[in-house]
Amino acid sequence: AQSVSQHNHHVILSEAASLELGCNYSYGGTVNLFWYVQYPGQHLQLLLKYFSGDPLVKGIKGFEAEFIKSKFSFNLRKPSVQWSDTAEYFCAVKRVYNQGGKLIFGQGTELSVKP
Amino acid sequence: GAGVSQSPSNKVTEKGKDVELRCDPISGHTALYWYRQSLGQGLEFLIYFQGNSAPDKSGLPSDRFSAERTGGSVSTLTIQRTQQEDSAVYLCASSFTGTGNTEAFFGQGTRLTVV
Repeated sequence: AQSVSQHNHHVILSEAASLELGCNYSYGGTVNLFWYVQYPGQHLQLLLKYFSGDPLVKGIKGFEAEFIKSKFSFNLRKPSVQWSDTAEYFCAVKRVYNQGGKLIFGQGTELSVKP
Repeated sequence: GAGVSQSPSNKVTEKGKDVELRCDPISGHTALYWYRQSLGQGLEFLIYFQGNSAPDKSGLPSDRFSAERTGGSVSTLTIQRTQQEDSAVYLCASSFTGTGNTEAFFGQGTRLTVV
């Protein structure tokens, strides 16, 4: 079965620290990859997405993610976090062909940034 | 509409009662998803509709849960004989299509509390 795994449940960082959140998925075919963010009290918003092409994608607020097909990974990075980045981050994967369309999420990573 | 709309935003119900949760997707979106978000549990996939195809119901946790999508637009998630473990935030999302390179947009969710 298709699954998405996020390595860290809760990450605590100080402002200006670098961030990397891990995401691995199990499906071997063509996929779309996403990172969503949920700020406290707000709904889920798209942070960035990968469909095809350059495996290094840039999103909003200085976030980027790298798709490494051989490792089935799509890790999220930010060189310098801010207090306002405190939120929950979700990785998601969608198959493009063969039972495509179903969007599966990881368990989420709660990021707390200390001012 | 401008975004995905869910109603009610909050619902408190007594154990054993039936509840209906409504989702109005973005106009023109053919794919619609339902998820359940429980504290510390991430986003649990429930059901996925794509156009006129048979829905993917593989995530529904029991036969007390059902969903329909009328006219390819509005969707209703029904939970019969509610139990306390059904308490969660129920999220709806839609996308232009499920099988192409598109992203999903989320509603604010319905917070269900079973007492």
